[in-house]
Amino acid sequence: KAGVTQTPRYLIKTRGQQVTLSCSPISGHRSVSWYQQTPGQGLQFLFEYFSETQRNKGNFPGRFSGRQFSNSRSEMNVSTLELGDSALYLCASSSGTSLRETQYFGPGTRLLVL
Amino acid sequence: AQKITQTQPGMFVQEKEAVTLDCTYDTSDPSYGLFWYKQPSSGEMIFLIYQGSYDQQNATEGRYSLNFQKARKSANLVISASQLGDSAMYFCAMRGEFGTGGFKTIFGAGTRLFVKA
Repeated sequence: KAGVTQTPRYLIKTRGQQVTLSCSPISGHRSVSWYQQTPGQGLQFLFEYFSETQRNKGNFPGRFSGRQFSNSRSEMNVSTLELGDSALYLCASSSGTSLRETQYFGPGTRLLVL
Repeated sequence: AQKITQTQPGMFVQEKEAVTLDCTYDTSDPSYGLFWYKQPSSGEMIFLIYQGSYDQQNATEGRYSLNFQKARKSANLVISASQLGDSAMYFCAMRGEFGTGGFKTIFGAGTRLFVKA
């Protein structure tokens, strides 16, 4: 069974630009969650999508948005990039139906904003 | 609000010895799950062990065990017989609905473990 894949793995952007990150979950998983990891703030929950609907959202500005497609693949978009958006963005997939289930993480996308 | 606290920024352990990584949590929800993840320098998060809030027994997975003390709201990870490959960042996490209608996972700040040969 293929694991969670994220593309691209590395990205360099400049302030003011926008960026789209992609996450393909494990086959059969309907839930995709996104996290931002920075040295200063640690791992922070961005949002969770389940069956194409945003089910949960963290405390991030509206510049951060996402969506999920019918095949469960998810994209995350950050508009008007700021220097502080430089981070490792991780996505995790699960069936989305139980607290007990394990979330499987992708390798992450490292975003550098200059 | 929910919170995970890991008070040890860094820990050293001698190879083949056991080590305990501390984790305390705070939530008023009765139903939640507690997880430990390992993050090597490559960045990928690796699931280690899970404990449910209603589980009566402490979870074990190979060399990993979770010392769950519900009344004290602690969920410490014990790694037995440390190996050099255990050197990594370790995160304690709590997952629940927390009144949101969906699932949300909150992570602690992490503990960096160094295993000495």
